[in-house]
Amino acid sequence: DIVMTQTPLSLSVTPGQPASISCKSSQSLLHSDGRTYLYWYLQKPGQVPQLLIYEVSNRFSGVPDRFSGSGSGTDFTLKISRVEAEDVGVYYCMQNIQLGFGPGTKMDIK
Amino acid sequence: QITLKESGPTLVKPTQTLTLTCTFSGFSLSTTGVGVGWIRQPPGKTLEWLALIYWDDDKAYSPSLKNRLTILKDTSKNQVVLIMTNLAPEDTATYYCARRRRELLYAFDIWGQGTMVTVSS
Repeated sequence: DIVMTQTPLSLSVTPGQPASISCKSSQSLLHSDGRTYLYWYLQKPGQVPQLLIYEVSNRFSGVPDRFSGSGSGTDFTLKISRVEAEDVGVYYCMQNIQLGFGPGTKMDIK
Repeated sequence: QITLKESGPTLVKPTQTLTLTCTFSGFSLSTTGVGVGWIRQPPGKTLEWLALIYWDDDKAYSPSLKNRLTILKDTSKNQVVLIMTNLAPEDTATYYCARRRRELLYAFDIWGQGTMVTVSS
């Protein structure tokens, strides 16, 4: 089984400051088709998860460009260039090689 | 507008069978590259995928729950049904259905509001 880990598990960020979340997988998420099956979701308080990023770095429709994804193989990062109050919630990485989610990173505002 | 909505019982007794229905609109499950999945989230915990079904009727199940799950689709009714047998208290969770699209590398792009299921005697 592919195990996903996220660090940190919680962070508190001042509005306007950057934030970064790491996601690591126990196996490479690079498929034999040459594509990397790593995604990021945000679950705001009391809401359903919403897709932010697919295939490591592609922003989903309507996602602000302050969100960016990067990485390869087993190490991935979600960055928020300037955190806004509406960005609070739990961030999950997801892999689609064996389909599974990370434990989540809870972000709140200082 | 694309929407998905889960429906089913909110309270189920241990050992009983749970049947959940996902009714969707704004897309067709007969369109190539489209799928619908079920994902659940126990209170305060992370997400866990359960089952997937695709436009060509291909299906996939979580290995840990495979023996207890059945997923079906009714394309004419725009519905996907999840059947889970032999429920236990640890199956208490919010159950979501979500669309998957090949063009997004099969990301779950649109989610239903979720339905909370409690397993208790």
